[in-house]
Amino acid sequence: QKEVEQNSGPLSVPEGAIASLNCTYSDRGSQSFFWYRQYSGKSPELIMSIYSNGDKEDGRFTAQLNKASQYVSLLIRDSQPSDSATYLCAVTLNTGGFKTIFGAGTRLFVKA
Amino acid sequence: NAGVMQNPRHLVRRRGQEARLRCSPMKGHSHVYWYRQLPEEGLKFMVYLQKENIIDESGMPKERFSAEFPKEGPSILRIQQVVRGDSAAYFCASSQGSTNEKLFFGSGTQLSVL
Repeated sequence: QKEVEQNSGPLSVPEGAIASLNCTYSDRGSQSFFWYRQYSGKSPELIMSIYSNGDKEDGRFTAQLNKASQYVSLLIRDSQPSDSATYLCAVTLNTGGFKTIFGAGTRLFVKA
Repeated sequence: NAGVMQNPRHLVRRRGQEARLRCSPMKGHSHVYWYRQLPEEGLKFMVYLQKENIIDESGMPKERFSAEFPKEGPSILRIQQVVRGDSAAYFCASSQGSTNEKLFFGSGTQLSVL
């Protein structure tokens, strides 16, 4: 089983809709959870972090964490064409240091 | 510029040559991570270093690949005797090193092996 799993997509939503991205992880010792956005040909950039169960909102973005189900999600409200990118779920493991493992990413297309 | 600096941006090597990729972390960051990304794929963890120490190299191939982060100077990812399968984007990221820390990424080095 992969350590961090995501649906590769592509996920296509119309402009203004809610985009829902999902991620599961295998290590119950995972401590921190992140969503990164990567535009084609560019480096990843952090958009959300979440550390405890529940929801965390930041502007149009909401991250949700359920440690019992080992599940993390990202909701993007009022999706814009500029949100079209690959979204990478990342999990930090304590291996004596703090190693961050990424999922394969979900490609999101927002249609104007 | 206080960001993560990687160079070169593009590196072309012939099979059998050596590739050296450099990464200077963000100011104040003492932890460096190297990731490899193939087209249409996610980031694959390679190695995690602190100054003068390798913390976790579980993602590094056992042969031809090495990494260091000396007391002075940038972190270096070294690939000896490159093969075509080494062609990929190599990203460096840095953090202050706690479990809650975000990773800040450099622009990456695109390695092409001819």
